[in-house]
Amino acid sequence: AQKVTQAQTEISVVEKEDVTLDCVYETRDTTYYLFWYKQPPSGELVFLIRRNSFDEQNEISGRYSWNFQKSTSSFNFTITASQVVDSAVYFCALSEPTSGGGADGLTFGKGTHLIIQP
Amino acid sequence: DAGVTQSPTHLIKTRGQQVTLRCSPKSGHDTVSWYQQALGQGPQFIFQYYEEEERQRGNFPDRFSGHQFPNYSSELNVNALLLGDSALYLCASSLRQNIQYFGAGTRLSVL
Repeated sequence: AQKVTQAQTEISVVEKEDVTLDCVYETRDTTYYLFWYKQPPSGELVFLIRRNSFDEQNEISGRYSWNFQKSTSSFNFTITASQVVDSAVYFCALSEPTSGGGADGLTFGKGTHLIIQP
Repeated sequence: DAGVTQSPTHLIKTRGQQVTLRCSPKSGHDTVSWYQQALGQGPQFIFQYYEEEERQRGNFPDRFSGHQFPNYSSELNVNALLLGDSALYLCASSLRQNIQYFGAGTRLSVL
């Protein structure tokens, strides 16, 4: 069975601070995808990144960076120089590719509520 | 290019009633997945439709059923509503194994 754990329920930082959101996952499969989504108060989940289990390279996109470590089953997300607009709930998720086409259902963590204070 | 659209935005029902939620996928997408998100929790996978068939299902009772139409749009039906069915229902669309894009959801309140 798949499981995603986001131990940090809520994080509050002052604007311009760096912040890291933790994600630990469990799966018996060797092939899987990891995701991060952002959910602002409007409710719509916004896709941020997808990482294939075979690609452990860290990724940077502007102020966002992701650290994927299979040895510790972690996929952490760092925001550098945080801004008020980054305030949202962030979800880490896991899925497995299926044969014959179609995307697997996502298994989400409980989310981390990030508050950026001005 | 319209994204994933869901209707209605909000809905209030009473226990025992039935409800139908609707989802139009992003243009070019052929797969629709439904999720239930209780307050303060992460979304939970209900089921997924591809080629008009339910191809994968999460741990939800048979009261939850769905349908996908030839134009790839989808409906989620919930029968015999319980108070615990109150949640945000999210629809996501994708092109096969590609990334799932979500709509803004339908907020269902069961009284």
